[in-house]
Amino acid sequence: AQTVTQSQPEMSVQEAETVTLSCTYDTSESNYYLFWYKQPPSRQMILVIRQEAYKQQNATENRFSVNFQKAAKSFSLKISDSQLGDTAMYFCAFMKGPGANSKLTFGKGITLSVRP
Amino acid sequence: NAGVTQTPKFRILKIGQSMTLQCTQDMNHNYMYWYRQDPGMGLKLIYYSVGAGITDKGEVPNGYNVSRSTTEDFPLRLELAAPSQTSVYFCASIRQLEAFFGQGTRLTVV
Repeated sequence: AQTVTQSQPEMSVQEAETVTLSCTYDTSESNYYLFWYKQPPSRQMILVIRQEAYKQQNATENRFSVNFQKAAKSFSLKISDSQLGDTAMYFCAFMKGPGANSKLTFGKGITLSVRP
Repeated sequence: NAGVTQTPKFRILKIGQSMTLQCTQDMNHNYMYWYRQDPGMGLKLIYYSVGAGITDKGEVPNGYNVSRSTTEDFPLRLELAAPSQTSVYFCASIRQLEAFFGQGTRLTVV
């Protein structure tokens, strides 16, 4: 079974600064995908970024980028130029390659607060 | 497209009552999921379905049942509500590595 670990329950960052959220995972699969989801107080789940395990290049989406270390099974999210709207819970998630058992496994999440 | 629609948004149940959480998607997705979210615990998979007529248990299925008679609908049934089922419930569908979530149902069992 796959496991996703987010060991930091909370983090705080000053507006305009950079913050990194950590995530590690455990799997014996070779074909899989990793995700970061944002959950603001509205409860809506919003996909932030996705990384395919077979790609060596780290994914980037505007101010969001990942540091994907496949051998170390590490998948951290870097948020640059933090904004007040980034305040939310962030979940790291894992999915095996497409097939009959494709389902998202989530970490426990981290609460990020951006200070003005 | 409405995406994934969950109803109700909020509900208070008494211990021992039953209810059905409704989930409908209009994207013709085969894969659908029910998660529960408890504070500090992330989202735990309750049940999932890979197509009409096919369902399977996730991590925390006890106390719940599901059915999938059509591609669009994936209702979650609580037969005898217990305080441990107080949680926020999310329905989701996945297609081509993109997950679409409903707005969630906050359920309180008293």
